[in-house]
Amino acid sequence: AQSVTQPDIHITVSEGASLELRCNYSYGATPYLFWYVQSPGQGLQLLLKYFSGDTLVQGIKGFEAEFKRSQSSFNLRKPSVHWSDAAEYFCAVGAGGTSYGKLTFGQGTILTVHP
Amino acid sequence: DVKVTQSSRYLVKRTGEKVFLECVQDMDHENMFWYRQDPGLGLRLIYFSYDVKMKEKGDIPEGYSVSREKKERFSLILESASTNQTSMYLCASSLDLAGGQHEQYFGPGTRLTVT
Repeated sequence: AQSVTQPDIHITVSEGASLELRCNYSYGATPYLFWYVQSPGQGLQLLLKYFSGDTLVQGIKGFEAEFKRSQSSFNLRKPSVHWSDAAEYFCAVGAGGTSYGKLTFGQGTILTVHP
Repeated sequence: DVKVTQSSRYLVKRTGEKVFLECVQDMDHENMFWYRQDPGLGLRLIYFSYDVKMKEKGDIPEGYSVSREKKERFSLILESASTNQTSMYLCASSLDLAGGQHEQYFGPGTRLTVT
């Protein structure tokens, strides 16, 4: 069975600073990887996804993530954070195949942005 | 645009009541999911369905049941609500992709309080 770990429960950055949110996964084959964002009181919105090919993927809102198979990681980055990026971020892994589209989510990282 | 709607944003119920949470998607997705979200625990899968009348248990099915009589609608049922079921409940849907994985689309969530 797959699993996902987001080591940082809460991260605080200043507006304009760079951001990296960590995600480590456990899965025996090539995973399907996702990052979602949840603004307060809202559902989850997809930021980006990795299925195959180029290991650096671009997403919405200026986010990118890099798949590193050797480190079992899929870290999310943004070069310059905006106050509107304050939210909770979830990394998720899917097994594809006959798994009916199930995803396993990490515990989430809450991002606070200081002006 | 995919739309996933949930019948209530906020719900307050008493211990022992039967509770129905409804979810509707408008994009003809085969797969539908119910999660509960608790601080520090991320999203945990309660049940999912991959076709009409087909359902499978997720990671935490105890105390819950589901119903999928129509492709677009997936209901979560708490047979006898208890205080430890106070949580945020999120519904999601996705296309079925044989051998692959599509992203899940989420509803806005229902915050259920059981008193």
